[in-house]
Amino acid sequence: ETGVTQSPTHLIKTRGQQVTLRCSSQSGHNTVSWYQQALGQGPQFIFQYYREEENGRGNFPPRFSGLQFPNYSSELNVNALELDDSALYLCASSGGGSRTEAFFGQGTRLTVV
Amino acid sequence: QQQVKQSPQSLIVQKGGISIINCAYENTAFDYFPWYQQFPGKGPALLIAIRPDVSEKKEGRFTISFNKSAKQFSLHIMDSQPGDSATYFCAARMDSSYKLIFGSGTRLLVRP
Repeated sequence: ETGVTQSPTHLIKTRGQQVTLRCSSQSGHNTVSWYQQALGQGPQFIFQYYREEENGRGNFPPRFSGLQFPNYSSELNVNALELDDSALYLCASSGGGSRTEAFFGQGTRLTVV
Repeated sequence: QQQVKQSPQSLIVQKGGISIINCAYENTAFDYFPWYQQFPGKGPALLIAIRPDVSEKKEGRFTISFNKSAKQFSLHIMDSQPGDSATYFCAARMDSSYKLIFGSGTRLLVRP
């Protein structure tokens, strides 16, 4: 177990709806990154938060947004859901004493119908 | 330049055999290269990682070989076991950023 927890584990939404995914980072880690993993592919970087500020963004549209809270937990929000947003969404925490390593949660499986 | 190319896409190995997965990169600014193991329905788990100042790193049955001049690195799984059956991802990162660039994955099946 990595100590990174994500909720919910599974979610089904309708096209056009909005969704919020949550992540609790590992104790002592101040950086949270979010990744999208489509079926059969490697994870793709969405964005990263460091001490409550966005600190890098991948090639994702603005309808993907996030937040990081003072306890370093994080949310990923996706507006106007599209069918192609169906994927496993992964949260990774890093920083603290183990600066280089990123530890992933189990992911949230989002299905858009 | 941001890509990491991984091969093969799938691999079948007999129990006790050696599994070899290869990755190549272009961006010489990458300076941290981890390998992740992912089981179905789970998040990727860090397996082993290497920096380019080292040509080889071994942890138990897992070894990373790194060729800086060729911009290639590989994962060797010795004495492969059925429990090693999973998808393996190589990745790369610049130390100035936490952003990981992942390969496309290799689905490994170890037959009993």
